[in-house]
Amino acid sequence: QVQLVESGGGVVQPGGSLRLSCASSGIRFTDFGMHWVRQAPGKGLEWVAYIRYDGTETKYAASVQGRFTISRDRNTLYAQMSSLRPEDTAMYYCARDLLTSGCRYFDLWGRGTLVIVSS
Amino acid sequence: DIQMTQSPSSLSASIGDRVTITCRASQSISSHLSWYQQKPGTAPKLLIYGASSLQSGVPSRFTGSGSGTEFTLTISSLQPEDFATYYCHRGDSAPYSFGQGTKVDIQ
Repeated sequence: QVQLVESGGGVVQPGGSLRLSCASSGIRFTDFGMHWVRQAPGKGLEWVAYIRYDGTETKYAASVQGRFTISRDRNTLYAQMSSLRPEDTAMYYCARDLLTSGCRYFDLWGRGTLVIVSS
Repeated sequence: DIQMTQSPSSLSASIGDRVTITCRASQSISSHLSWYQQKPGTAPKLLIYGASSLQSGVPSRFTGSGSGTEFTLTISSLQPEDFATYYCHRGDSAPYSFGQGTKVDIQ
């Protein structure tokens, strides 16, 4: 079954750290770039980070630059989040990257894992 | 950074209506735009990529058009399962930002 499954969310205090995982199945994970996208409660989608299929390139939103690190291994995507702030509270989705004629888009999404930053 | 602005932010429509959502980029992004549908409590679903290419399995009542800075998503005849929030998304270069969303609900 083709799917992405996120885990690792939870409640963390401001200034704390958390590591999210996104496990893949049914796909050749190492063939695809991957992204993290988040959605604060009741708000819209916010792109967070991207990693190239081979892990040699990463990109970050300004809001998380220097605090979040995206990484991957053979079957799993990670997001190491540190110095967490209340505004990082959100559902975090991983998404598969496709690139067609220069247009990057996300064709496969996980169900998300919820991160709550609160004291 | 390029800003993506959708209009309207919300709309009310009836079954069978033709619905059009607009997305404007603050600078040209060529045809590097995609559209997603999201229903409450679920992950977004890809509808359109490359501004006008229909994702496999998506009904043909959904069409995308535009290039440069102005894009539209049109639902030709609104169905009950189409009530959702729709997002445009720039796919040209990072940051790969989204529009703020357009909520389509029942009139």
